[in-house]
Amino acid sequence: QLVLTQSPSASASLGASVKLTCTLSSGHNSYAIAWHQQQPEKGPRYLMKLNSDGSHTRGDGIPDRFSGSSSGAERYLTISSLQSEDEADYYCQTWGTGIQVIFGGGTKLTVL
Amino acid sequence: QLQLQESGPGLVKPSETLSLTCTVSGGSISSSNYFWGWIRQPPGKGLEWIGNIYYSGSIYYNPSLKSRVTISVDTSKNQFSLKLSSVTAADTALYYCARGRTRGCSGGSCYSGAFDIWGQGTMVTVSS
Repeated sequence: QLVLTQSPSASASLGASVKLTCTLSSGHNSYAIAWHQQQPEKGPRYLMKLNSDGSHTRGDGIPDRFSGSSSGAERYLTISSLQSEDEADYYCQTWGTGIQVIFGGGTKLTVL
Repeated sequence: QLQLQESGPGLVKPSETLSLTCTVSGGSISSSNYFWGWIRQPPGKGLEWIGNIYYSGSIYYNPSLKSRVTISVDTSKNQFSLKLSSVTAADTALYYCARGRTRGCSGGSCYSGAFDIWGQGTMVTVSS
């Protein structure tokens, strides 16, 4: 069964970098994912599609402070030069043969 | 720039049918490169996928909601719609529509991908 696992929370200081993780369940190491950001009281915003080889394509207008990488079943979102507006919930999403859409549980990022 | 806007009643009575429409502007809903989806988010909780509709007419539903959900498209109005029957308080949520990039349809199956444009969402409360 395909499951995406995310830590419920993360925190980092203003101006620093943070790396969020989305873990694919066993046997699904080759799956691509997407990262979405949901700022408080707003709808989700697409950040990027991240492939299993670490290549990624950012959405329109997404700054290069947001980058992605992959290692095995892990998919990472790194945000550098943290700004206050980066405080948000971050969701990963995947799809596959016979599977339309799966979301991870989300990570709440606090910028200190 | 393509935009999506959800619309519909903000309050629905228990056991009735929730009906929402997503209007697509700035682009065609008939493109073969994309699919259209509904997602919801109960207060304080995460995202839950409801269903997708493709240019081919294929529709896929979340198995947990399948018996109560109907998604349809009106290409003449550039809209797609969601109906959820027999609602309860557990269906109270923010409802989002979104566009996704499809990997195409073949052999009777359609293949989804990342949602890349989201609507702003509409809150629906189920209460008498």
